[in-house]
Amino acid sequence: GDSVTQMEGPVTLSEEAFLTINCTYTATGYPSLFWYVQYPGEGLQLLLKATKADDKGSNKGFEATYRKETTSFHLEKGSVQVSDSAVYFCALSDRTNSGYALNFGKGTSLLVTP
Amino acid sequence: EAGVAQSPRYKIIEKRQSVAFWCNPISGHATLYWYQQILGQGPKLLIQFQNNGVVDDSQLPKDRFSAERLKGVDSTLKIQPAKLEDSAVYLCASRVEPGRRADTQYFGPGTRLTVL
Repeated sequence: GDSVTQMEGPVTLSEEAFLTINCTYTATGYPSLFWYVQYPGEGLQLLLKATKADDKGSNKGFEATYRKETTSFHLEKGSVQVSDSAVYFCALSDRTNSGYALNFGKGTSLLVTP
Repeated sequence: EAGVAQSPRYKIIEKRQSVAFWCNPISGHATLYWYQQILGQGPKLLIQFQNNGVVDDSQLPKDRFSAERLKGVDSTLKIQPAKLEDSAVYLCASRVEPGRRADTQYFGPGTRLTVL
């Protein structure tokens, strides 16, 4: 079945460092891809998404490009802030009996230090 | 616009007890999901509703878990009897409709269940 693989965490970076969180997927169809973020004590929030090959999703300085040839959707940010400390989940839209649900990776914890 | 509401936020029970969680989705969202998130893992789909009908419960442990969505709005998820391995965060999510793969799901804050 479809699946998502993320790099293991935790990732610890200094403020203003460059961030990459790797995400690869396997899918029989042509899924949409998502990054969700979970801040401490809060629910999951959509960070960005992409719906077709070569699409770039972006939000709050984060970017990810849908790469069909490498089945990847890596998350990047040029300069992280302490407030970016959170757990990041890569996900794909998975067909269910009627419609779509999300299939998540295990999550990558990011800690940004001052 | 109000988000997805869930209650309680935290629950601690003894094994073999029963527990229920409540979710109120975003107004007008036809599709509602329950996910289970075990510590250190990503959320896993338990059940999907379209209005008040179940459209996918293939991953729901039906011997102990049950869910309903009366009148196509609020939903409850019940566990009876609970096991230690049910300790997790239970997330409710909703979206406008189920049929478009790119539509965003909106998540509630979750209910953290601890089974002792």
